Amino acid sequence: AQKVTQAQTEISVVEKEDVTLDCVYETRDTTYYLFWYKQPPSGELVFLIRRNSFDEQNEISGRYSWNFQKSTSSFNFTITASQVVDSAVYFCALSEVNNYGQNFVFGPGTRLSVLP
Amino acid sequence: GAGVSQSPSNKVTEKGKDVELRCDPISGHTALYWYRQSLGQGLEFLIYFQGNSAPDKSGLPSDRFSAERTGGSVSTLTIQRTQQEDSAVYLCASSLSTGMNTEAFFGQGTRLTVV
Repeated sequence: AQKVTQAQTEISVVEKEDVTLDCVYETRDTTYYLFWYKQPPSGELVFLIRRNSFDEQNEISGRYSWNFQKSTSSFNFTITASQVVDSAVYFCALSEVNNYGQNFVFGPGTRLSVLP
Repeated sequence: GAGVSQSPSNKVTEKGKDVELRCDPISGHTALYWYRQSLGQGLEFLIYFQGNSAPDKSGLPSDRFSAERTGGSVSTLTIQRTQQEDSAVYLCASSLSTGMNTEAFFGQGTRLTVV
């Protein structure tokens, strides 16, 4: 069965610190996609990134970077020089295909608080 | 519209009453998902529609929950005889296709409170 684990329930950092959010997944599929979403206090989930299982290159987008390692089934997310606006709940997700089509399996989320 | 639209944004209902939650997906998106998020919790999958195909209902928590999607577009999630444990934010999402490489776009949710 597909599963996504985010072991860190809550993290607090002081502004300008770097922070890494962990994500570990389980799947028997050889082709799959991984996602990160941000849920700010307003409540709406915002898509951040999508990676496929064949591309292990790390990706950087501004202060955000992602480290995908198939050998450890991890897809970790690092925020560099964190800001108060980064405070949110972050969800890691894995796409799966069943008889009905694509579905998403979400991790439990990590609540990040960035203190001024 | 530009994004996924859900209505109402907030709903307070008395225990035992039925409620209907509406989701209007992004135009052209063939896949539509309903999730439930209890306070401080993660996302619980409820049901998934792909076009006009039979939906994946495997996440519906009880037979009090049902959903339909008319014309492959707007969806309604119905909860009959609501219970206090149904209180949660109900999130709808849509995606462009069934390919695994398509991300889902979420609405702002309907906050349901059963009193």
